[in-house]
Amino acid sequence: EDQVTQSPEALRLQEGESSSLNCSYTVSGLRGLFWYRQDPGKGPEFLFTLYSAGEEKEKERLKATLTKKESFLHITAPKPEDSATYLCAVQAFGQGNLIFGKGTKLSVKP
Amino acid sequence: AAGVIQSPRHLIKEKRETATLKCYPIPRHDTVYWYQQGPGQDPQFLISFYEKMQSDKGSIPDRFSAQQFSDYHSELNMSSLELGDSALYFCASSLGDRGMNTEAFFGQGTRLTVV
Repeated sequence: EDQVTQSPEALRLQEGESSSLNCSYTVSGLRGLFWYRQDPGKGPEFLFTLYSAGEEKEKERLKATLTKKESFLHITAPKPEDSATYLCAVQAFGQGNLIFGKGTKLSVKP
Repeated sequence: AAGVIQSPRHLIKEKRETATLKCYPIPRHDTVYWYQQGPGQDPQFLISFYEKMQSDKGSIPDRFSAQQFSDYHSELNMSSLELGDSALYFCASSLGDRGMNTEAFFGQGTRLTVV
């Protein structure tokens, strides 16, 4: 069964304190791994798609990496506005829908 | 840039009533997905459509139905509502289907409250 596990469930950081979020996955055939940011009561906001092991993508203070079993979302020198829930999702070959993890709720204190 | 539009944003219904949620995808996107997100939960896939045909089916209750129209907008029809149907309902759209597509972009959701 395709599955996505994110850790930690919650992460509290001080402004400027870098850290990483983990996404472990099992999928029959990975078409793509997606990272989304979700603010309370809002729709998930697309961040990155990773397609193959070794791939990396960056956007401002965020960097996503992918191995054959997991993905990391690295946050460098976070700011309070980075506070949100970060969702990881996988898409299997032959399917269009996404399978989401339960997310990591990030809080960045000034 | 145009995004996915969902309406209404908020909806309050009583048990056993019906509800219709609407989704207008990003222009030129031909694939629509519906997800349900309960409080503190991750989004759960309900159903998807590609070129006006159902393409995948997830954990959608039999009380729910959906369709995609000729202009590519989609509607999720929910009948015999139950308290447990209270959730955020998201629509997402993308170009292409079943692994040939681009990233899925989500709307802001409809918050359904069943009382």
